[in-house]
Amino acid sequence: NAGVTQTPKFRVLKTGQSMTLLCAQDMNHEYMYWYRQDPGMGLRLIHYSVGEGTTAKGEVPDGYNVSRLKKQNFLLGLESAAPSQTSVYFCASSLDRSTILYEQYFGPGTRLTVT
Amino acid sequence: AQSVTQLGSHVSVSEGALVLLRCNYSSSVPPYLFWYVQYPNQGLQLLLKYTSAATLVKGINGFEAEFKKSETSFHLTKPSAHMSDAAEYFCAVTLGGASKIIFGSGTRLSIRP
Repeated sequence: NAGVTQTPKFRVLKTGQSMTLLCAQDMNHEYMYWYRQDPGMGLRLIHYSVGEGTTAKGEVPDGYNVSRLKKQNFLLGLESAAPSQTSVYFCASSLDRSTILYEQYFGPGTRLTVT
Repeated sequence: AQSVTQLGSHVSVSEGALVLLRCNYSSSVPPYLFWYVQYPNQGLQLLLKYTSAATLVKGINGFEAEFKKSETSFHLTKPSAHMSDAAEYFCAVTLGGASKIIFGSGTRLSIRP
């Protein structure tokens, strides 16, 4: 049971390049999330998904797109990277909201630098 | 809308001293509250959570937190700090049935030998 995995772990992009971050979970979780973490700002929610084929905007969605074609995978895309998107990106997953004991399980993060 | 405020972006204590990390929440209805820990270059791990079963919640690694409705607080404590406790700690809040968790800005805990 690997939990939540993220690929790649590190990436350097030039301004204007595109890339996709992959998140995978093997816990059969319904909900998946993408956050970015910047110094002094905690975690900010980019997009999330409450089930296969669904996505929704979070707090800071501009410049990002997501897809959830399979229940176990949640992809985060940057179509045209900007220096402001330099950050550490975390994926998380959780059971559905029918359980009051739900918590989020986090991946190890992807450190992205845009030059 | 709910929110959390963590007082102090950096807390430093001596090894063996009491650890107190402060978190205040804002919510119009009884919330669920969490403390997560992030060790360097790792993702977040759940320390403990409050879901209205008991106001004093015990978590992993000797940490505990007390839910105080009158003070809208959920402070994290540990009686005796260990060097391995050095990490960043995040308080978070959600509402029952909600699909999102709101995180605080984090408190970095340093331990002095």
